[in-house]
Amino acid sequence: IQLTQSPFSLSASVGDRVTITCRASQGISNYLAWYQQKPGKAPNLLIYSASTLQSGVPSRFSGSGSGTDFTLTISNLQPEDFATYYCQHLNSFPFAFGPGTKVDIK
Amino acid sequence: EVQLVESGGGLVKPGGSLRVSCAASGFTFNSYTMNWVRQPPGKGLEWVSSISSSGSYLYFADSVKGRFTISRDNAKNSLFLLMNNLTAEDTAVYFCARDSVAGPKGGFDFWGQGTLVTVSS
Repeated sequence: IQLTQSPFSLSASVGDRVTITCRASQGISNYLAWYQQKPGKAPNLLIYSASTLQSGVPSRFSGSGSGTDFTLTISNLQPEDFATYYCQHLNSFPFAFGPGTKVDIK
Repeated sequence: EVQLVESGGGLVKPGGSLRVSCAASGFTFNSYTMNWVRQPPGKGLEWVSSISSSGSYLYFADSVKGRFTISRDNAKNSLFLLMNNLTAEDTAVYFCARDSVAGPKGGFDFWGQGTLVTVSS
């Protein structure tokens, strides 16, 4: 199972609403997670099971989707949200990550 | 507090071997599947391998199958990745990560800081 993400990168402003898409090459039910990674740091789990917010993650992050198409939405973008975002499927081994979407400051 | 601390990275020649380790603390290590994920410099994340809580079930990415071995010592709360026949394409930061408390479909909820493996002559 391969994952694609779009866009590859985007520029946004503080306060914007941002949507990132992840598409799986075959159906994966809701077995999808989203991570945020900042330069030089380990990834941080944001969302699992496509739409469940990880404990401690701000509610401006939300996820949706099932099957092959998924979205990560960040509402009211904050300065600390500028980072790279990855999706990951956990449907079956081998797991895979998407190529990432870099969100930078406009 | 959950902590994962990798060690053992370094410079190794092509064709060589290296073992990286991950020391776990702050949780019941023998209750969790553990994982290795790598990231080549400036590139994206790649899942490498997973090992079940008992160590009975092992899973590998096609890119490392037959060359890498994952193991764990539950008595010492430690995870290992033995890498053989290394090539330049294995150059990456290697992260250990814990399966989420939400279960095997819940992603990886804690990660170490990573250890850099460089394969070069």
